[in-house]
Amino acid sequence: DSGVTQTPKHLITATGQRVTLRCSPRSGDLSVYWYQQSLDQGLQFLIQYYNGEERAKGNILERFSAQQFPDLHSELNLSSLELGDSALYFCASSVEGRAGELFFGEGSRLTVL
Amino acid sequence: TQLLEQSPQFLSIQEGENLTVYCNSSSVFSSLQWYRQEPGEGPVLLVTVVTGGEVKKLKRLTFQFGDARKDSSLHITAAQPGDTGLYLCAGGLNDYKLSFGAGTTVTVRA
Repeated sequence: DSGVTQTPKHLITATGQRVTLRCSPRSGDLSVYWYQQSLDQGLQFLIQYYNGEERAKGNILERFSAQQFPDLHSELNLSSLELGDSALYFCASSVEGRAGELFFGEGSRLTVL
Repeated sequence: TQLLEQSPQFLSIQEGENLTVYCNSSSVFSSLQWYRQEPGEGPVLLVTVVTGGEVKKLKRLTFQFGDARKDSSLHITAAQPGDTGLYLCAGGLNDYKLSFGAGTTVTVRA
């Protein structure tokens, strides 16, 4: 158990819909990262938040957005969903100053039909 | 184009054999991490290497960081079925954007 909690574990929805994925980081970790993992693209960095502020942005589509709340949990919002958005979405957290050492949640598997 | 290139992509060996996985880049990293991911789970950190030429051992796993800090290798001695998984190397050019290689899928047959 990494200490990072993600919900829901599985989600099936239709094209054009909007979903929200939720993440609670490890106790004490201020940084939250979102990654997308698909068979053809591997693990792709989407976005990072640190203590409520956006710190770095990766290959995140404009249809996707995220935020980190005062209690440090984070949400990833995916809208106007397309078939190609089907993937595993991972949240991770890290200790300040050790950005390469991520603790991942178990992921949310999104299926868009 | 991947920042980190891993090879081979797939590796299937018999229990008791040795294996090596490679991670290469044209970029210099301040540190490099190795993760293992099992089906249905998130990646789990195995090790961080920081110093060029560094060698770290974790039981039957040996990790090496290249002298120029552009490449790394993971060697498993006497592999066991429990070593089966996706091995990912990761590195960041700054503190924020950690990039992952595509991974090497290792299967150890009993």
